[in-house]
Amino acid sequence: KQEVTQIPAALSVPEGENLVLNCSFTDSAIYNLQWFRQDPGKGLTSLLLIQSSQREQTSGRLNASLDKSSGRSTLYIAASQPGDSATYLCAVQNQETSGSRLTFGEGTQLTVNP
Amino acid sequence: KAGVTQTPRYLIKTRGQQVTLSCSPISGHRSVSWYQQTPGQGLQFLFEYFSETQRNKGNFPGRFSGRQFSNSRSEMNVSTLELGDSALYLCASSEQGGTEAFFGQGTRLTVV
Repeated sequence: KQEVTQIPAALSVPEGENLVLNCSFTDSAIYNLQWFRQDPGKGLTSLLLIQSSQREQTSGRLNASLDKSSGRSTLYIAASQPGDSATYLCAVQNQETSGSRLTFGEGTQLTVNP
Repeated sequence: KAGVTQTPRYLIKTRGQQVTLSCSPISGHRSVSWYQQTPGQGLQFLFEYFSETQRNKGNFPGRFSGRQFSNSRSEMNVSTLELGDSALYLCASSEQGGTEAFFGQGTRLTVV
């Protein structure tokens, strides 16, 4: 059974700092890994999707890496801003389950202080 | 292109009642998945529909059911509501398995 863990559970940083969020998963047989952002009481916003054959993806100030063999992914946020404050979730899609089922981590709650 | 639309956004129901939630996926997407989010359990997969067929099912009791229509719109139904069913219910749409998932804003269900 796939298990996804995110560390740290919460993170508070001053504005402008570069930061790294970590995600690990137990079963390396994945189709892809996706990073999401969730604001309080809202739905999930997709940030980055990394296919299992890829090593990293970039979008603006965000960079996500994937090491499938070790079961790890990191989300790097450069020059953080107060508007980045949210909960960040990673989710994997397993090869063994056909379809689009995602297994989520518990999330990292990020606070960027002005 | 319109995003994923979930209705209603908020619901308050009484224990024992039943409820139906609706999800309209992104145009052209044939896969719709449903998730329950609670503070204690995080995001839990309920089920997935693809081309009107249930393709995957999570570990939830039979009170939770769903269906998908020919236009890919999906509904989920919860019967005999319990207090523990209070949660944010999220719907995700994707083209097919292995592709990017896009989520709606969710339906906040409160059972009193």
